[in-house]
Amino acid sequence: NAGVTQTPKFRVLKTGQSMTLLCAQDMNHEYMYWYRQDPGMGLRLIHYSVGEGTTAKGEVPDGYNVSRLKKQNFLLGLESAAPSQTSVYFCATNGAGSYEQYFGPGTRLTVT
Amino acid sequence: GEDVEQSLFLSVREGDSSVINCTYTDSSSTYLYWYKQEPGAGLQLLTYIFSNMDMKQDQRLTVLLNKKDKHLSLRIADTQTGDSAIYFCAEVNYGGSQGNLIFGKGTKLSVKP
Repeated sequence: NAGVTQTPKFRVLKTGQSMTLLCAQDMNHEYMYWYRQDPGMGLRLIHYSVGEGTTAKGEVPDGYNVSRLKKQNFLLGLESAAPSQTSVYFCATNGAGSYEQYFGPGTRLTVT
Repeated sequence: GEDVEQSLFLSVREGDSSVINCTYTDSSSTYLYWYKQEPGAGLQLLTYIFSNMDMKQDQRLTVLLNKKDKHLSLRIADTQTGDSAIYFCAEVNYGGSQGNLIFGKGTKLSVKP
């Protein structure tokens, strides 16, 4: 039981490149979230999903897209990376009827 | 809008108690959380409290909630060097079980031997 995993752990992109971050969970949780963490800013919600095939915008969605084709996976895409997207990205999940959100280990992204 | 405020730093000596404070603005918050983040790691859920509770104790951790003043605190008894980390307060107003956490900026706890 791995819980919440994130791939990759680190990535360096050049401005304008694209990439996809993967969050995978083996807890059969309905709800999944993508946050970004910036120094002095705490964590801010980018997008979230309440179930397979559904997504919604969070506080800072611009420049990102997401997909939830399978219940266990939540993908975060950057179509054209910008230096302002340099951050640590965290995925979180919780199950229906539960109020405990569990976080993955994070992906550190640098855009040069 | 919703806001969660924490002091940025706290320094204590090993063996002392640590008290980390948090204030929030959303009076409709249903759950309040404390997460711990060690350097280079993800967020670990420490404990949480439902908004109709005043206190929750879990081993060395005590959470106090003053709903009238919208003030939350985390007390760590007998603080150890392994408790050194950033502690995040978060609040949420759940619609069903789906909720978007609103985080404070984190309090960096330094424990001196």
